[in-house]
Amino acid sequence: DAGITQSPRYKITETGRQVTLMCHQTWSHSYMFWYRQDLGHGLRLIYYSAAADITDKGEVPDGYVVSRSKTENFPLTLESATRSQTSVYFCASKPGLAPPGELFFGEGSRLTVL
Amino acid sequence: ILNVEQSPQSLHVQEGDSTNFTCSFPSSNFYALHWYRWETAKSPEALFVMTLNGDEKKKGRISATLNTKEGYSYLYIKGSQPEDSATYLCAFYNQGGKLIFGQGTELSVKP
Repeated sequence: DAGITQSPRYKITETGRQVTLMCHQTWSHSYMFWYRQDLGHGLRLIYYSAAADITDKGEVPDGYVVSRSKTENFPLTLESATRSQTSVYFCASKPGLAPPGELFFGEGSRLTVL
Repeated sequence: ILNVEQSPQSLHVQEGDSTNFTCSFPSSNFYALHWYRWETAKSPEALFVMTLNGDEKKKGRISATLNTKEGYSYLYIKGSQPEDSATYLCAFYNQGGKLIFGQGTELSVKP
């Protein structure tokens, strides 16, 4: 089925380890986003991408790396995980800048850093 | 830094009460304002996408208004029901494609 999927859905790791969260969408949407959900902050934008090979920082990019070699994939890497990166991560996509339509969200990836 | 503020942070109402929330956002570089409904353990789902100053949107008992000149939007729920319990998020979409969310208003409707 078409849609946006995230993997893994749940991950436990240790401080200092590298972790990659995958996001895959089948709609060929141009825009993709990574958000983290934090109590009291709602959803905070980590990185976003307007197209393959075009990425830009959001509100809280430190400690994260993204790439977009293919339109359908937008992996998020924590190069050296820290406890403060324990969160639920949501990937989202939308067709393009115009029209300013809604975001479509994945189901979230819950990451715990011990 | 884009600042999107929502108030109140949480709201507890009785079934049948009508309620409203506020979202304030930068009035410059505006492209669109989104409202999302986010139920616990689920993903956010869009309610409204609003682009024009003075826009009013309605979906069932839920409606929203938009004032881009002063930088605010209101979301109204008429006759709240327990199934309306959720977090309501607004998101400011600027002309560069960046979509920034407010911290949300958590609504709890008691039967």
